[in-house]
Amino acid sequence: NAGVTQTPKFQVLKTGQSMTLQCAQDMNHEYMSWYRQDPGMGLRLIHYSVGAGITDQGEVPNGYNVSRSTTEDFPLRLLSAAPSQTSVYFCASSYRTGSNQPQHFGDGTRLSIL
Amino acid sequence: AQSVTQLGSHVSVSEGALVLLRCNYSSSVPPYLFWYVQYPNQGLQLLLKYTSAATLVKGINGFEAEFKKSETSFHLTKPSAHMSDAAEYFCAVLGNNQGGKLIFGQGTELSVKP
Repeated sequence: NAGVTQTPKFQVLKTGQSMTLQCAQDMNHEYMSWYRQDPGMGLRLIHYSVGAGITDQGEVPNGYNVSRSTTEDFPLRLLSAAPSQTSVYFCASSYRTGSNQPQHFGDGTRLSIL
Repeated sequence: AQSVTQLGSHVSVSEGALVLLRCNYSSSVPPYLFWYVQYPNQGLQLLLKYTSAATLVKGINGFEAEFKKSETSFHLTKPSAHMSDAAEYFCAVLGNNQGGKLIFGQGTELSVKP
């Protein structure tokens, strides 16, 4: 029972590089989302998806792209990394959009941009 | 717009003392409310959730929270703190827009002194 799996766990990038953060869930959840966590700011929503083929922007989408080609996977792409994107990134999923079922979180990807 | 405010970014208690973490929310509709806990270098785990079934909600690890509509509060309590309770705690409200996203407070770090 893997739940939500994020890879890699740690990554260091140089400014301007691109990379993809992977997220996979095995619970057949409809709703998936990406958050970033910064000290004193809680978690802020980057992008979310309510089902395969459907994505939308959250609170802080600039500099990030997402796609949802399958129910299981929801990768987050950094197009051209900037130091301001140094953060801890969490992927989450839940059973259904707007339901009161809790979101399940991965263990996070700790990303440093030099 | 919905929002969550957690009073106190850091709370310190002695082992065996009462834990009280404060959360106030703003919502134009009956909210779904959640408390999550984050241990160091881990993702978020659900402690408890309020879904209007009962105003006093019991969660894991001896925590509970009381929904008070008149005060727009959902404070988290535990009668007796353990060293293992040291973690960061997040209050969240389920948004009624943007695909039902979770709106998080800024978090409260709980320290437990021996």
